[in-house]
Amino acid sequence: SQKIEQNSEALNIQEGKTATLTCNYTNYSPAYLQWYRQDPGRGPVFLLLIRENEKEKRKERLKVTFDTTLKQSLFHITASQPADSATYLCALGLEDKIIFGKGTRLHILP
Amino acid sequence: GAVVSQHPSWVICKSGTSVKIECRSLDFQATTMFWYRQFPKQSLMLMATSNEGSKATYEQGVEKDKFLINHASLTLSTLTVTSAHPEDSSFYICSASFGSSYNSPLHFGNGTRLTVT
Repeated sequence: SQKIEQNSEALNIQEGKTATLTCNYTNYSPAYLQWYRQDPGRGPVFLLLIRENEKEKRKERLKVTFDTTLKQSLFHITASQPADSATYLCALGLEDKIIFGKGTRLHILP
Repeated sequence: GAVVSQHPSWVICKSGTSVKIECRSLDFQATTMFWYRQFPKQSLMLMATSNEGSKATYEQGVEKDKFLINHASLTLSTLTVTSAHPEDSSFYICSASFGSSYNSPLHFGNGTRLTVT
C-alpha cells in the first residue's frame, strides 16, 4: 500500500542543537517533495521544495535532502530556536496532486 | 505576495443545516485550488481539486453531493457542506498554487473549524 511516514509523533530538541526530521514513503514516485510548517489552528506555510534530481536544498537555517533510492527526505533545522517549535509536514508532489504526511511536532526546549 | 484568505475561521452549526466556506486568493489568480480536511493529529486529507470554470475533481470516498465545490472565478472557490452532521466536524483548509503546474508551492488559507452540534 502507499504510505508517507514521518518520524515520531513528537520530537524534543535542546535550543541551539540541530533538529532532524525524516519523511519516508512507499509505493510512490514523487517528482518533487515539499516541506511545510503548521502552527496550531493555522494553515500550513510552505518552506522548501526539492525536486527528484536534486540531492540537497538550503534556505537560511533549513536544509532538505532527497534520496529517491531510499525513498526518504531529511529536514534539518540548525541552531534551533524556541520559535521553531511547530508541526512540520512533508508533502509528495505527484502527477496531479500533492499529498501530505501526518507531520512531526517539534518542541525546541529553551 | 500569494495570500489566501479563508472565511469564516470558525463556525458552529446545527445538524442538518448547510455551511459555506469561502477561499479567496487575494493577490494572484488561482486556476486551481485544493480543499483539504484535517482531523486532530492527522494529516491533511485532500478532498477535491477545484478548477476555475469546470467541475471539481473529488478524491475517492468524498461525496460530491455532500461537499459542493464551486470555483466561479480565478480568485474565489467555495466549499458548501450540505446537511451537516456531527461527523463532518473538522478543520477544513483550502490552498492555491501560485504557478500553473503541480510542482508549485501551495499557499494555504488559515482554515475553518467546523463544529456540527
